[in-house]
This record gives sequence, C-alpha cells and structure tokens, in this order.
Amino acid sequence: AQTVTQSQPEMSVQEAETVTLSCTYDTSESDYYLFWYKQPPSRQMILVIRQEAYKQQNATENRFSVNFQKAAKSFSLKISDSQLGDAAMYFCALYNNNDMRFGAGTRLTVKP
Amino acid sequence: GAVVSQHPSWVICKSGTSVKIECRSLDFQATTMFWYRQFPKQSLMLMATSNEGSKATYEQGVEKDKFLINHASLTLSTLTVTSAHPEDSSFYICSAIRASTDTQYFGPGTRLTVL
Repeated sequence: AQTVTQSQPEMSVQEAETVTLSCTYDTSESDYYLFWYKQPPSRQMILVIRQEAYKQQNATENRFSVNFQKAAKSFSLKISDSQLGDAAMYFCALYNNNDMRFGAGTRLTVKP
Repeated sequence: GAVVSQHPSWVICKSGTSVKIECRSLDFQATTMFWYRQFPKQSLMLMATSNEGSKATYEQGVEKDKFLINHASLTLSTLTVTSAHPEDSSFYICSAIRASTDTQYFGPGTRLTVL
C-alpha cells in the first residue's frame, strides 16, 4: 500500500519570507508521480507543482520548488517570497497505477 | 489548466432520498475519474475509481450499493448517493486524470447536507 505523511499540521510564515513544507511517502513502485495541491477556503483543489519520479531534476514553478529525494522518499515544497494569497491547506500526493494517496495536509498561515 | 466541473455545487436533501452528483471534464477526455470525500479539516479520502466503460473500483469500507458510480462517457462520471442518511453529509470532490500528463484535475466539490 502507498502512504503519504505530512508531519506538520500547521506552519506559519512571514510575508515575503520562505517556508518549506515536508512530505514523506512510501511506495514499492519505481515509477510514480508526486504532487503538491493547494486548497484555499473555497475548497477548490489547485495543482501547485508536479514531479515525475524518474526525473532527478527538482521541479520548479515560479515561487514554488520542490526538493525531491527519491532514495529517502522525501518530497518537500519550498515557497519563496510568500504572499498572503499563499495561505491555504497544502496536500502532498502520490500517484501511480490509478492509485492516488494524499497526506493529511499542512495548514499554512501567512502573516502580513 | 484543465477544467473539471461538478454539479450541483451544493445540495440539501431529506433522509432516505437519493442524490446524483455529476463530474465533467470540460476540455479533455478522461478515461479515469476519482471520487473523494472530505470531512471538515481533514484530508481527501478516496472513495472509488471510476473507469469509462467498466465498473468502478471501490476502496475498502465504501459501500458500492450505496454510492453508485457511472462513467458513461469520456467526459462524464456520476456519483449517486442512494437512501442518503445524515452521516452521508460531507463534501464530495471528483477529479479527472488527463492522460497526456498523468495529472489529476479537481472539480470544485459538492457539499451534501442530508436532513
């Protein structure tokens, strides 16, 4: 069975600062995808960033980047220059073979 | 990004009635769609995987006769909550896999309240 663990229920960051959200996972597969989704109060799930397991290069999307450590099964999200609009629940997810698993989520607060 | 819609966005029904929720992928074809349930302040819980043209695959503990799933076309999956009870009240979210990128895109969710 695949599992995803987010050990930080809540995180806080000052506006314009950088924050890192942690995620570890477990799977027996070698080919899979990892995602970070953002869920604002509207509850619409928004894709933040994706990473293919076969790629060694860490994915980046503007202010969002990941630190993908395949051997350690770690997939952290770094948000740079945090903005008030970044405040939301963040879910780490693992997908392969039509099986998608989410972590418990991290609530990010951005302080002005 | 890809767009997935859900209808209705919210519904209130009486106990014992059935409710149908639609999930549509608007700008891509999806052979696979997922149905999730999310309780307040909790993560998404996968209920079932909906495959076009075949029976849905349900997660352990999810009653297939209570949560009927039909994936009749490459752009539409429906979830019917049969004989709804107050404990079925929840936020239901669907997602669709865009095959070209193996990425899930989510609908906006449906809030179901059973009185």
